[in-house]
Amino acid sequence: EAGVAQSPRYKIIEKRQSVAFWCNPISGHATLYWYQQILGQGPKLLIQFQNNGVVDDSQLPKDRFSAERLKGVDSTLKIQPAKLEDSAVYLCASSFPGGGRGFRTDTQYFGPGTRLTVL
Amino acid sequence: EDQVTQSPEALRLQEGESSSLNCSYTVSGLRGLFWYRQDPGKGPEFLFTLYSAGEEKEKERLKATLTKKESFLHITAPKPEDSATYLCAVQARGSYIPTFGRGTSLIVHP
Repeated sequence: EAGVAQSPRYKIIEKRQSVAFWCNPISGHATLYWYQQILGQGPKLLIQFQNNGVVDDSQLPKDRFSAERLKGVDSTLKIQPAKLEDSAVYLCASSFPGGGRGFRTDTQYFGPGTRLTVL
Repeated sequence: EDQVTQSPEALRLQEGESSSLNCSYTVSGLRGLFWYRQDPGKGPEFLFTLYSAGEEKEKERLKATLTKKESFLHITAPKPEDSATYLCAVQARGSYIPTFGRGTSLIVHP
């Protein structure tokens, strides 16, 4: 089974530039997540999609970050304009809904991430 | 606000030297507690989900346990290939947002 694919793996940009990341989840996984992981910290959820609808984006800085998941499959995360503090690894994860016990604690499968450096 | 604190931040063990990692949490109603392993340059890899106090799960040399305030990840007779950062996360009832700890960096020397 192919895992979660992300590209690019690395990106270096200057502040105020724009950048976009792409994610292709595991086939059949309806739920897709974008996380930000700053060096030395745990991942922080930015946005969660169920099919092509947004489930939660309360932690997404909407003044500069945007995400879409057209057709309910792959997704893009964009930062415009980037700031120095956006330097981090951006992780995409997917899961198959239906975690049992009558509520969703779905096992998340993570991609390798995109390491963003903002100079 | 949900909080997760992992200790120690870093742990060095000799091969075969068993130990435990701690994850203390504060959450308003636990939906689930998760353990992940993260190797350098890779995304987290799922290990376990625990739902209620008293629950235990095992996988090879790893055993995860859960109480109402904390979880332990016990590593029995570790090998160098167990070296990684171990992340703990909690999810509250009624929330879709998991809260991760900062992780414990484990190094096992041969």
